[in-house]
Amino acid sequence: DAGVIQSPRHEVTEMGQEVTLRCKPISGHNSLFWYRQTMMRGLELLIYFNNNVPIDDSGMPEDRFSAKMPNASFSTLKIQPSEPRDSAVYFCASSFQGISWTEAFFGQGTRLTVV
Amino acid sequence: SQQGEEDPQALSIQEGENATMNCSYKTSINNLQWYRQNSGRGLVHLILIRSNEREKHSGRLRVTLDTSKKSSSLLITASRAADTASYFCATDGATGANSKLTFGKGITLSVRP
Repeated sequence: DAGVIQSPRHEVTEMGQEVTLRCKPISGHNSLFWYRQTMMRGLELLIYFNNNVPIDDSGMPEDRFSAKMPNASFSTLKIQPSEPRDSAVYFCASSFQGISWTEAFFGQGTRLTVV
Repeated sequence: SQQGEEDPQALSIQEGENATMNCSYKTSINNLQWYRQNSGRGLVHLILIRSNEREKHSGRLRVTLDTSKKSSSLLITASRAADTASYFCATDGATGANSKLTFGKGITLSVRP
């Protein structure tokens, strides 16, 4: 398996534009996480899915953020409209959750810059 | 929140010395994990310790868990310059199948050659 694959690796966009981040989790994992990392706030959990169902989206900053997982092998995080304060590195991670969690595997991240 | 909190926030040591990093959390957990992040990269899993374990080793890494104090420590022995990275602890709550995996803010370790 190639690991968790995120695209794009870098994204520069103008304020107000729509941004879509993509993630392909590891085959066989039943859970997927979206995290955001900034110097100020560290690593924040935005949302996680279990068996393609959103379980906890309490970390999603506001209505401008939305995430979907239409099937077990693909997820998107969308920001519409984007703002400069959304600039951060966004990580996708996948794991297997049974009775408890196994290790999470992270993608390389998408560095988003909103100007 | 069950989020782990690491301390110190930053640690600078000489190559060859041992590095000890601590993590505290607030609620009961199923397990605790430590991750490493090199600059500009994703997090990489280092070691997982279950709530019924007290100590675990992996190469130069030693992790302890004290559930009575809700704390864990990560010891890196005989540190190398290549160990320079940020280290995170992650916890999952013991409150049901849908507990989430949350991370602390991380510790920045610098190992001087």
